[in-house]
Amino acid sequence: EDKVVQSPLSLVVHEGDTVTLNCSYEVTNFRSLLWYKQEKKAPTFLFMLTSSGIEKKSGRLSSILDKKELFSILNITATQTGDSAVYLCAVEGYGQNFVFGPGTRLSVLP
Amino acid sequence: DGGITQSPKYLFRKEGQNVTLSCEQNLNHDAMYWYRQDPGQGLRLIYYSQIVNDFQKGDIAEGYSVSREKKESFPLTVTSAQKNPTAFYLCASSAALLSYEQYFGPGTRLTVT
Repeated sequence: EDKVVQSPLSLVVHEGDTVTLNCSYEVTNFRSLLWYKQEKKAPTFLFMLTSSGIEKKSGRLSSILDKKELFSILNITATQTGDSAVYLCAVEGYGQNFVFGPGTRLSVLP
Repeated sequence: DGGITQSPKYLFRKEGQNVTLSCEQNLNHDAMYWYRQDPGQGLRLIYYSQIVNDFQKGDIAEGYSVSREKKESFPLTVTSAQKNPTAFYLCASSAALLSYEQYFGPGTRLTVT
């Protein structure tokens, strides 16, 4: 059965710290991996990754995919309190189905 | 075990037919949501409900309808007016509307031909 595992499930850091969030997957016919930031009502799309080894970057956030080892990481440098959220990882597989992970809850303390 | 169930996992319909997707939660959550996930795009909010008998349109509500007669249930009807209904539909719930801890169901893949 397809699955997506995220770790840690919860993380508390202080402003200025760097964090690494992990997402591993077992999905049939992998097509893409998505990262979201969950705040308020609807999750905010962060990155879509399809190729191994190519880092995607947006400000203090970056992500990379390893299709051989079946995982992705999301890095956040110089964290701010506004980064506090649940970060979701989702993988698109066979038949354009998506499997969502449980999320990592990040709390950034001042 | 508490959680959200969506059924069926795969659904096939002919064009012009309405179809209803099921979403049930036993988490005692007040808020429930429907999203649509298309390849290469982010999640898009279709409808959400803060409480029983109340629901609000999201960003892409056209061609969809919902009801919230029970706290546990938030079915989504994809009507024939929806121009591109084929997609992956995801239901979620949270304890409160502005809570960022949403729990997601396994999703339903709808294919309309």
